Amino acid sequence: KAGVTQTPRYLIKTRGQQVTLSCSPISGHRSVSWYQQTPGQGLQFLFEYFSETQRNKGNFPGRFSGRQFSNSRSEMNVSTLELGDSALYLCASREGLAGQNTGELFFGEGSRLTVL
Amino acid sequence: AQSVTQLDSQVPVFEEAPVELRCNYSSSVSVYLFWYVQYPNQGLQLLLKYLSGSTLVKGINGFEAEFNKSQTSFHLRKPSVHISDTAEYFCAVVKTSYDKVIFGPGTSLSVIP
Repeated sequence: KAGVTQTPRYLIKTRGQQVTLSCSPISGHRSVSWYQQTPGQGLQFLFEYFSETQRNKGNFPGRFSGRQFSNSRSEMNVSTLELGDSALYLCASREGLAGQNTGELFFGEGSRLTVL
Repeated sequence: AQSVTQLDSQVPVFEEAPVELRCNYSSSVSVYLFWYVQYPNQGLQLLLKYLSGSTLVKGINGFEAEFNKSQTSFHLRKPSVHISDTAEYFCAVVKTSYDKVIFGPGTSLSVIP
């Protein structure tokens, strides 16, 4: 089975721009979660999508948004970028069904965003 | 709500020495517990998990962890570390298979030759 694929791996943007990151989950996984990783804040949960619906949400401003497509692929978007948005954005997939497995996450290698 | 504490942000240890990385969690309900490892410029990968049953859980690369319900701890141990174990280690909890997974702040393990 192919793993979780994130694109792009690296990108540089300037303040005020917007960015879209993509995540393809493991085949058969219907849940995709997004995390922001920074040296000072660790892993912060952004949101989770399951069957095209946002199921869980973290405490991020509305500039951070996401969506999931019918094939379970997910995108997250950050608008009006700020310097503090520089981070590694990690995507993780799991089966996501109640009573199935244990919620174990499978991670991609991340998209490293630098905002100048 | 659940939370995870990893008391040691950095742990230096000599090669072939034993190591313990500490994790404590807070939850009013039963949870599943995980340890993940992150090597430089990579995503996280699962080391081991506690679901139920035996409190001693064995994982990959010679790591093991012990669940202690009374102390709400899930400490990670390895009897003899290798240079290749240098990485960031994260403890995590989840209430059910569909709740959000909560991660601790991470412990940076540095193995000194």
